Amino acid sequence: GAVVSQHPSWVICKSGTSVKIECRSLDFQATTMFWYRQFPKQSLMLMATSNEGSKATYEQGVEKDKFLINHASLTLSTLTVTSAHPEDSSFYICSAGGTSGGSTDTQYFGPGTRLTVL
Amino acid sequence: SQKIEQNSEALNIQEGKTATLTCNYTNYSPAYLQWYRQDPGRGPVFLLLIRENEKEKRKERLKVTFDTTLKQSLFHITASQPADSATYLCALGSAGGGNKLTFGTGTQLKVEL
Repeated sequence: GAVVSQHPSWVICKSGTSVKIECRSLDFQATTMFWYRQFPKQSLMLMATSNEGSKATYEQGVEKDKFLINHASLTLSTLTVTSAHPEDSSFYICSAGGTSGGSTDTQYFGPGTRLTVL
Repeated sequence: SQKIEQNSEALNIQEGKTATLTCNYTNYSPAYLQWYRQDPGRGPVFLLLIRENEKEKRKERLKVTFDTTLKQSLFHITASQPADSATYLCALGSAGGGNKLTFGTGTQLKVEL
């Protein structure tokens, strides 16, 4: 139980294009989903928190107009990197918090999406 | 500012030994602390959660301690195996924080034959 998927697992795009990453909770309903970014040899940095049906809450320093988050249902959240640039190249990971039988404080992570912007 | 420190240097141990990883934090009063395992190019996998009123938690070969006075958590893997080789992350959460987690940088563990 408590499986989270991400799609795509990797993507290469040209500078200036937009990229959408999907995050799905497969066997539970996720009222809250989180989006992280991880650069090589660094920790996971929280970008934003999204709750189903409401606007995402962004962490300080994260541009909400650049990283568009939509949490349209209890099983799907999307992150769109708009007008991507090479400095946006990173490993993007989503997580979902839910009540799949474990603690509600537990987050279940997706496998991540490697974004490379040329 | 809040700071979470884990050993940045890789920890190399021999198979069968106990691996001990450290997580220290400052300027933080976490309600709970979690440990995750992360393999290269993959998302973190939840291992254990320990709350501020708990001293120790065990799960199979894993043991976590939480000392809120020292502001430290220790993560132990007994009878370590090469398959335990990975990066281990500690993450702190606060009460009323909406399940938000703040992660340490992780410690890479290598278990050698």
